[in-house]
Amino acid sequence: GAVVSQHPSWVICKSGTSVKIECRSLDFQATTMFWYRQFPKQSLMLMATSNEGSKATYEQGVEKDKFLINHASLTLSTLTVTSAHPEDSSFYICSARDGTHYEQYFGPGTRLTVT
Amino acid sequence: GQQVMQIPQYQHVQEGEDFTTYCNSSTTLSNIQWYKQRPGGHPVFLIQLVKSGEVKKQKRLTFQFGEAKKNSSLHITATQTTDVGTYFCAGSSGGYQKVTFGTGTKLQVIP
Repeated sequence: GAVVSQHPSWVICKSGTSVKIECRSLDFQATTMFWYRQFPKQSLMLMATSNEGSKATYEQGVEKDKFLINHASLTLSTLTVTSAHPEDSSFYICSARDGTHYEQYFGPGTRLTVT
Repeated sequence: GQQVMQIPQYQHVQEGEDFTTYCNSSTTLSNIQWYKQRPGGHPVFLIQLVKSGEVKKQKRLTFQFGEAKKNSSLHITATQTTDVGTYFCAGSSGGYQKVTFGTGTKLQVIP
């Protein structure tokens, strides 16, 4: 149980285009989803927290207009990187938590490369 | 903001040796979680500690939460090659809504 999927697993896009990443909880209802960014050999940096049906809470320094988060249902959250630039290239990981347990279940991550 | 540091950053051990990673928070935590990330993989939840001075064991892994709830440690006895990966602590200072991940300790086990 407690499986989280992410799609796509990797994507290459041109500078200036937008990319959407999906995060799905497959066998539980995720009341809260988190989006992280991880640079090589570094820790996970929380970008935003989203609760189903409400606006995401962004961490300081994360541009909400650039990283659009939509938590449309209890099993799906999406992160859209708008007008991507090479510096947005990174590993993006989502995690999900249900309403009764504290642990986060992580998706496999999405490797974004902006050329 | 809250900062969570881990030491060491890297650790190479001979298989069979013990290993310890230490986690220190700049603020008092309400709880701390530990995750393991294998190379190329995603973090996997190991355990959560809530009480001051709490100690929990999972087979060869021993987790401690400091009395002041500002530090924690993970100790692995007699490491195996399957223990290879990066270990992250993640602390929360206000319920479970948000956790701050530590800097991580990368463990390499030499067979």
